[in-house]
Order: sequence, then C-alpha cells, then structure tokens
Amino acid sequence: QKEVEQDPGPLSVPEGAIVSLNCTYSNSAFQYFMWYRQYSRKGPELLMYTYSSGNKEDGRFTAQVDKSSKYISLFIRDSQPSDSATYLCGGGTDKLIFGTGTRLQVFP
Amino acid sequence: NAGVTQTPKFQVLKTGQSMTLQCAQDMNHEYMSWYRQDPGMGLRLIHYSVGAGITDQGEVPNGYNVSRSTTEDFPLRLLSAAPSQTSVYFCASRQSYNEQFFGPGTRLTVL
Repeated sequence: QKEVEQDPGPLSVPEGAIVSLNCTYSNSAFQYFMWYRQYSRKGPELLMYTYSSGNKEDGRFTAQVDKSSKYISLFIRDSQPSDSATYLCGGGTDKLIFGTGTRLQVFP
Repeated sequence: NAGVTQTPKFQVLKTGQSMTLQCAQDMNHEYMSWYRQDPGMGLRLIHYSVGAGITDQGEVPNGYNVSRSTTEDFPLRLLSAAPSQTSVYFCASRQSYNEQFFGPGTRLTVL
C-alpha cells in the first residue's frame, strides 16, 4: 500500500467551479507536503508546498493540511479550462512520496 | 542556472542491456531523487540522496543502482534492462525541505 493515497479521478467540472482535490497519507513522520500540476507529456510543476497544519493560499489555489487526520487537500477557485491537468500530492521528509495523481478536466 | 538537466531525452534498449541515465543540477541542492512514472501510477520513488556519498532506497529500487560522488550529479544505472522498466524517468533536486525541482524527464523503452 502506498504511503500517499489519491483518488485517480477523472474529475470533470464546469468552468468557474470550485474544485476540491484530496489525499491521505499514512506516515505520521511526514513533515512537509506539496502539490504539483502536470500537463500531458510534461514534467511536474510545483503549485504549493507547506510544512504545517492549516491553510496556505496562493491566488486561486489553497492547500490545506490536517496532520491529526493525515489529510491533504487542494482547492481551486474559479477553475479555468487551462487548469485541466493531472494533480499530484506528495509528502515526506528526506524522501518525498507522491500519490497516483488526480486527472482534472474543466470544461467551458 | 540550467536547473535540473537529464540526458538522454529518449532511449530504446533491448532486454538485458545496461545503461546509465544522467542527472545534474547546478543549484547546490543537498537532496536529489529519481522517480519513474507509469500510466495510472503517479510518481514512484526509486532512489534518493541527502548529500554526496549518501543514498537510500525508495519505493521501487529493484533493478536500479545509484551513486552520489558529487553534489551536482546523481546517475541512475539500469543493470540489466527489462520490459517492466519501460517508463518515463524524472530526476529531482531540492534544498532541504523546500521546493523540489524536476528535470524534463527521460522516456525509456525496453524491447
């Protein structure tokens, strides 16, 4: 079983919707967490990373970590067709482990 | 800064051949990692390093070797290629618990 679990989707939403992407992790030693976006046939690009429980906001994106329940979330407000991609959550310490990725499709 | 560079971009091997995937970074990062990505499997950690001379296994280390003789370089060696190693390989680097930068990837096909 992977240390980071993620629903693979696909998730399909209309433009302008609020998107919620979620992951769980099993290793309580994990100290930092991150979200990457990956377009088809491209490398992953960092969206956000955070160390602590709570929320971190950057523009339309909010990352949320709840260490007590080992839950990681990414919220996308006012979603755009250009947000259509695969979203990867990850966590760890010296080693970083990623989930399987959630494919998001935002349709006009 | 070139960031994280990987060579080659594409490679085709025959079963049983060996090869080395090269990875270099010019950001003086302590941490470097190798991942493989297969459809529906996300990124799976192969090996990682927390500094020159120090390496450790990730989630899927079998069939791969690494070494870290310098801070800049972290080559991944396939000892005897198998079709199951057909994948896209990403190298990554970071400074401690900060942003991890990925290289552009190497697409490997093993026939």
